Amino acid sequence: EPEVTQTPSHQVTQMGQEVILRCVPISNHLYFYWYRQILGQKVEFLVSFYNNEISEKSEIFDDQFSVERPDGSNFTLKIRSTKLEDSAMYFCASSAGLQYGYTFGSGTRLTVV
Amino acid sequence: GQQLNQSPQSMFIQEGEDVSMNCTSSSIFNTWLWYKQDPGEGPVLLIALYKAGELTSNGRLTAQFGITRKDSFLNISASIPSDVGIYFCAGHNLSGAGSYQLTFGKGTKLSVIP
Repeated sequence: EPEVTQTPSHQVTQMGQEVILRCVPISNHLYFYWYRQILGQKVEFLVSFYNNEISEKSEIFDDQFSVERPDGSNFTLKIRSTKLEDSAMYFCASSAGLQYGYTFGSGTRLTVV
Repeated sequence: GQQLNQSPQSMFIQEGEDVSMNCTSSSIFNTWLWYKQDPGEGPVLLIALYKAGELTSNGRLTAQFGITRKDSFLNISASIPSDVGIYFCAGHNLSGAGSYQLTFGKGTKLSVIP
């Protein structure tokens, strides 16, 4: 069964450093997303990406965040200057269309120290 | 933003028992999704519901999209130990503006006692 692949599975970084989280969505999907989940809390929407541009973003997705699809397969989330409160699981997801359920990756656990 | 109220927050049940959990919303959703999350993993889609009143099964799982489009329930019959995990409901409101985001409930943590 097709999968969404995320790397790394765990990233530890110092406060103020830049991190890039990587995702390979399912190949024929058109919509791409990043969600995050702070430990013990619900999954929260960050951003959606379609047709090579951001289609929607939440309040969480401020100027420190950016997304990119540098080639035909990868989809990245960059946090420019990490803060302690950015520590969370970050999930990439993709879908074939808005009306379909999303497929999530296994996540990247980001720990900011 | 939109809020989903999911209940119960947690459940402890005996193996073999049936389980029921539900989500309600103050606003209408066009799609209801139920996910299961194991520790350290991403949510895995269990059932997707696309029409009000729709009742869909996936093995021992059954979910329904409420007629009002503001609620959904998930039933698990004859629970087994591997049903342990956190179950999330999620709603999608494909409005005229084309909102892309899923709104998640806070989850129901299911524990199954062998």
